Amino acid sequence: RKEVEQDPGPFNVPEGATVAFNCTYSNSASQSFFWYRQDCRKEPKLLMSVYSSGNEDGRFTAQLNRASQYISLLIRDSKLSDSATYLCVVNSLNKLVFGAGTILRVKS
Amino acid sequence: GAVVSQHPSRVICKSGTSVKIECRSLDFQATTMFWYRQFPKQSLMLMATSNEGSKATYEQGVEKDKFLINHASLTLSTLTVTSAHPEDSSFYICSVRPNPTDTQYFGPGTRLTVL
Repeated sequence: RKEVEQDPGPFNVPEGATVAFNCTYSNSASQSFFWYRQDCRKEPKLLMSVYSSGNEDGRFTAQLNRASQYISLLIRDSKLSDSATYLCVVNSLNKLVFGAGTILRVKS
Repeated sequence: GAVVSQHPSRVICKSGTSVKIECRSLDFQATTMFWYRQFPKQSLMLMATSNEGSKATYEQGVEKDKFLINHASLTLSTLTVTSAHPEDSSFYICSVRPNPTDTQYFGPGTRLTVL
């Protein structure tokens, strides 16, 4: 079983749609959690950290459920520019462990 | 965040040659840098942790004699792929972590193609 699992997608949505991504992790001792965005043939870029209380940054909302070892990312009012691969990332024993990513395609 | 550069951005070489990739931390001194590899449609996999002034720490399954890491200064780490073969073709990315509890910031990556 992979340490960080994500639905690979792709998620094909129209502009303006709301889309949610889920992620589960296996190491209950994991300390911190992030969502990164990776565009095609580019490096990953930090989208947001994920906190236990849930946090929001504009159209993006991240939630963490430590008991279920589950992380989510909600994107509201999708834009064409949101098209990318979204990586769920877990800091486990001071190392970042990456999920394989969920592909999002926003279409006009 | 932190600013990280990598050079070269792309390299194509013949099988059997060695390729050196540089990773520079441009706006802070990094005692630790990380080297990742990403094959097409797969997640990033940590190869090794580069430690300034000491030996790198390699992940299980990564050959330290094939992937030579040198971290001679607080702003520069190099990864040398020795005797490269087509199966080494991949996207190599380095990262830095400004403090132990912070996230990591990635360089733009180096795309290696071995013919």
